[in-house]
Amino acid sequence: NAGVTQTPKFQVLKTGQSMTLQCAQDMNHNSMYWYRQDPGMGLRLIYYSASEGTTDKGEVPNGYNVSRLNKREFSLRLESAAPSQTSVYFCASSEVAAVNEQYFGPGTRLTVT
Amino acid sequence: GENVEQHPSTLSVQEGDSAVIKCTYSDSASNYFPWYKQELGKRPQLIIDIRSNVGEKKDQRIAVTLNKTAKHFSLHITETQPEDSAVYFCAASKTSGTYKYIFGTGTRLKVLA
Repeated sequence: NAGVTQTPKFQVLKTGQSMTLQCAQDMNHNSMYWYRQDPGMGLRLIYYSASEGTTDKGEVPNGYNVSRLNKREFSLRLESAAPSQTSVYFCASSEVAAVNEQYFGPGTRLTVT
Repeated sequence: GENVEQHPSTLSVQEGDSAVIKCTYSDSASNYFPWYKQELGKRPQLIIDIRSNVGEKKDQRIAVTLNKTAKHFSLHITETQPEDSAVYFCAASKTSGTYKYIFGTGTRLKVLA
């Protein structure tokens, strides 16, 4: 089992460009999450999907959109990138929403210039 | 809103000594409290968790204690080793309502050889 995979690993964007971060899990988990990690700020939830067909905003959703494509895949889109979105992005999944272990992907380091 | 505070932000200990990291949470309905370890450049991984129906849980050199009345929980690492050096995150969540963790801001632990 690969667990949780993310692509790409690294990305550099210019202000105003758009991109989609991809995430997939092979553990048959119901719930999936997108976090961003900034120095001194911990892990902040951007969006989550408690189950296939549902998505909800987290703490910092502005500037992002998500799609739960199917049970395995959950993508994060930046429509018009800004320097404030420079961060490390982690996708995670869990068997049941919230009250179980979350398994994290390896992360995507995004720089917006 | 819901909040998790974590202290200290950095902690240095001599190899073999104990380390204690403390978190407080604001939502009295929280009933699941995981701890994650993140080594440099790696993804966060669960090291131990506790549910609200117990006050303490141990796993070898790691233990977590929970005081629901005071709304705080702590991570205890005994006989620290250099490989314990990492950033540790606490989190709180609940089975009803929103399906998400609230993470603390992290503690950077350095174990000095």
